[in-house]
Amino acid sequence: EAGVAQSPRYKIIEKRQSVAFWCNPISGHATLYWYQQILGQGPKLLIQFQNNGVVDDSQLPKDRFSAERLKGVDSTLKIQPAKLEDSAVYLCASSSTKQGYEQYFGPGTRLTVT
Amino acid sequence: AQSVAQPEDQVNVAEGNPLTVKCTYSVSGNPYLFWYVQYPNRGLQFLLKYITGDNLVKGSYGFEAEFNKSQTSFHLKKPSALVSDSALYFCAVRKAAGNKLTFGGGTRVLVKP
Repeated sequence: EAGVAQSPRYKIIEKRQSVAFWCNPISGHATLYWYQQILGQGPKLLIQFQNNGVVDDSQLPKDRFSAERLKGVDSTLKIQPAKLEDSAVYLCASSSTKQGYEQYFGPGTRLTVT
Repeated sequence: AQSVAQPEDQVNVAEGNPLTVKCTYSVSGNPYLFWYVQYPNRGLQFLLKYITGDNLVKGSYGFEAEFNKSQTSFHLKKPSALVSDSALYFCAVRKAAGNKLTFGGGTRVLVKP
């Protein structure tokens, strides 16, 4: 079974630029999550989708971050404009109620904002 | 609000010795508890979970964890550590009826030969 795919793996941009990350969840997983993991901290949920609807985006900085999952499969997370404090690893995860509540994580995208 | 505390930033242990990584949680109602491991430049890998039932749960790679409701703890254990167990370990909690997973700050484990 293929895992969660993310791209790119690494990205370096200057502050005020924009960036987008892509995630392809495990086939059949209805729930998709985006997390931000700042160095030395645990992952923090940014947004959760159930199919193509948003379940929780309470910690998403909506003035600069946006995310979509138009067809209920792939998802993109965008930052515009980026700030220095956005430097982090962005993790995508997916889950299925048939697989006992575990979230399966992708390898992440490491973003450096200079 | 739900929260997780991992009181140790790093745990050092000699290969072959027992390994324990501590975790305490706070959540309303019954908790669902998880342990994940993260290797360098890799995503998080699921180790084990407690949903209900036996307080001692067994997971991948010889790890186990004990749920203690009175102490609100879910410590991760391995009887005999391997050098390859060196990694970053995260404890996480969610409400039984909810979806949001809250992670602790992580504990780095270093197993020395």
